[in-house]
Amino acid sequence: GDSVTQMEGPVTLSEEAFLTINCTYTATGYPSLFWYVQYPGEGLQLLLKATKADDKGSNKGFEATYRKETTSFHLEKGSVQVSDSAVYFCALSAPTSGTYKYIFGTGTRLKVLA
Amino acid sequence: EAQVTQNPRYLITVTGKKLTVTCSQNMNHEYMSWYRQDPGLGLRQIYYSMNVEVTDKGDVPEGYKVSRKEKRNFPLILESPSPNQTSLYFCATTGGNDYGYTFGSGTRLTVV
Repeated sequence: GDSVTQMEGPVTLSEEAFLTINCTYTATGYPSLFWYVQYPGEGLQLLLKATKADDKGSNKGFEATYRKETTSFHLEKGSVQVSDSAVYFCALSAPTSGTYKYIFGTGTRLKVLA
Repeated sequence: EAQVTQNPRYLITVTGKKLTVTCSQNMNHEYMSWYRQDPGLGLRQIYYSMNVEVTDKGDVPEGYKVSRKEKRNFPLILESPSPNQTSLYFCATTGGNDYGYTFGSGTRLTVV
């Protein structure tokens, strides 16, 4: 079945460091891919998305490129801030399910130190 | 403003005491869903609804019920809660596969 695999956390970085959070997927058909962010005590917010191969999603300095050949959607940011500390979830939509079902990874906690 | 409103935010209850978590959306979406979030397991779908009066099981439906009598509301019902249902619950809605979900703020449920 469809699945999403994220790198294990926590990831601890110093402020202004480069961030990469790896995400790979398995899916039938052509899913759309998403990154969500969850700040402490809050719900998940859509961070960025890409709906077809080679698309790059971007928002708030974060970027991810839909790589069909490697089935990956890695999240990157050039210079992280303390305010980026949160849990990040990679997700895919499963169009073959016919139900708008989204499948989530287990989340990667990011901690940014001042 | 597009919103998904869940209530309550926090709930502590005892085993076996029926409870309902409400969810309401103002985006006029047909699709709504409930997820639970547990450490190390990510988000797992409990139930979903494609439209009014149309509901179906997700991956972990045991112990839960839902109803969809009107488009905006999708309550989650635990008729006899047990401690293994202690979790963080999210309601979500979407307009389709390419749109992404809009989530509610979550309900942290503790069953003792």
